[in-house]
Amino acid sequence: EIVMTQSPATLSVSPGERATLSCRASQSVSSNLAWYQQKPGQAPRLLIYGASTRATGIPARFSGSGSGTEFTLTISSLQSEDFAVYYCQQYNNWPPPYTFGQGTKLEIK
Amino acid sequence: QITLKESGPTLVKPTQTLTLTCTFSGFSLSTSGVGVGWIRQPPGKALEWLALIYWNDDKRYSPSLKSRLTITKDTSKNQVVLTMTNMDPVDTATYYCAHQRAAAFPFDYWGQGTLVTVSS
Repeated sequence: EIVMTQSPATLSVSPGERATLSCRASQSVSSNLAWYQQKPGQAPRLLIYGASTRATGIPARFSGSGSGTEFTLTISSLQSEDFAVYYCQQYNNWPPPYTFGQGTKLEIK
Repeated sequence: QITLKESGPTLVKPTQTLTLTCTFSGFSLSTSGVGVGWIRQPPGKALEWLALIYWNDDKRYSPSLKSRLTITKDTSKNQVVLTMTNMDPVDTATYYCAHQRAAAFPFDYWGQGTLVTVSS
């Protein structure tokens, strides 16, 4: 089973600044990597798939990069609504499981 | 538009079997490539992938929970059912169902989730 490791566990950033979140896979997942945003009491929302493609309706301040085992989610200028928990997920291997990372909590500094 | 909604008991006793239903609209599980999955999240913890069923009735399970899980679909009712046997307090979690448009894609639409508490 592929293990996804996210860092840091918690990231404190001021509004308007840039946030960089990391995700590492225990083996190559090619570009089959997604990022989700989850706010308290809500279901996860798909932000990025294919490592760098924004899902429908996702603002351009969200960007993803990486391939293989190292991935990054960047939020260029943090808005108040961006403070949430972010999860990465690999969907590369067949058959599943399609494992999730343990999450990064993005909090207001 | 695609929507999914989970339903089932909010409280189950240890050793009981949990049955959850995902009722969806806006897509068909008879469409080539489409899948519906289940994911859970214990309070304050991370997401955990549980199971997936595809349009062709291909079924996949988490290796660690495979012996306890069964996933089925009723295409005519637009429903997917997940059963989990021998429930334990550690299985207390919010259970989500989600849409996957193909095997090489992530979950793009999610239900609101349903909290299941396991307690005597």
